[in-house]
Amino acid sequence: EAQVTQNPRYLITVTGKKLTVTCSQNMNHEYMSWYRQDPGLGLRQIYYSMNVEVTDKGDVPEGYKVSRKEKRNFPLILESPSPNQTSLYFCASSLMSNTGELFFGEGSRLTVL
Amino acid sequence: GIQVEQSPPDLILQEGANSTLRCNFSDSVNNLQWFHQNPWGQLINLFYIPSGTKQNGRLSATTVATERYSLLYISSSQTTDSGVYFCAVEHESNYQLIWGAGTKLIIKP
Repeated sequence: EAQVTQNPRYLITVTGKKLTVTCSQNMNHEYMSWYRQDPGLGLRQIYYSMNVEVTDKGDVPEGYKVSRKEKRNFPLILESPSPNQTSLYFCASSLMSNTGELFFGEGSRLTVL
Repeated sequence: GIQVEQSPPDLILQEGANSTLRCNFSDSVNNLQWFHQNPWGQLINLFYIPSGTKQNGRLSATTVATERYSLLYISSSQTTDSGVYFCAVEHESNYQLIWGAGTKLIIKP
């Protein structure tokens, strides 16, 4: 089954404790992206990747890191999480950039205390 | 930058009713997509429609690129249609998707 898988789905952590949210797709997609969704602010792009070893900042990259060492994986790293990073996070992928159907993971709800 | 406006912001309908959701954008785009976010948070791609008309069951969409708008039609609404509908456009000058704020649809049984 074609899918985008995120883990963990739910996480409660404390300020400053490094964490990684994994994202994996099994569709051989070149394009992958991370979004955060906050009430009243809609979906905002954090980082995106056009292909392996190619990553770019989105609208709200501060406080986040990403890497794309393999085509299928695109982890989101919070080196020192802060409460303002409490949010619902989505990973997405598409065959090539945004010029095609965008598939989303089920979301990861992160709470930073 | 490009602006994406969706209307109405909220819509409450009885089961069986039809509805039209609108997405206006302020500049030329490479593509436009419609998404549904169900009450459990899952985001599903409904249509990839830079221009023209597409239909999928009870849902159809039309994009008039020259006039910078897109419409999503939902016929014979069901309670499972409830959720938030987003449109997102890819600006001609970059690869980023710009999202509208969404239309929250509630279908009452």
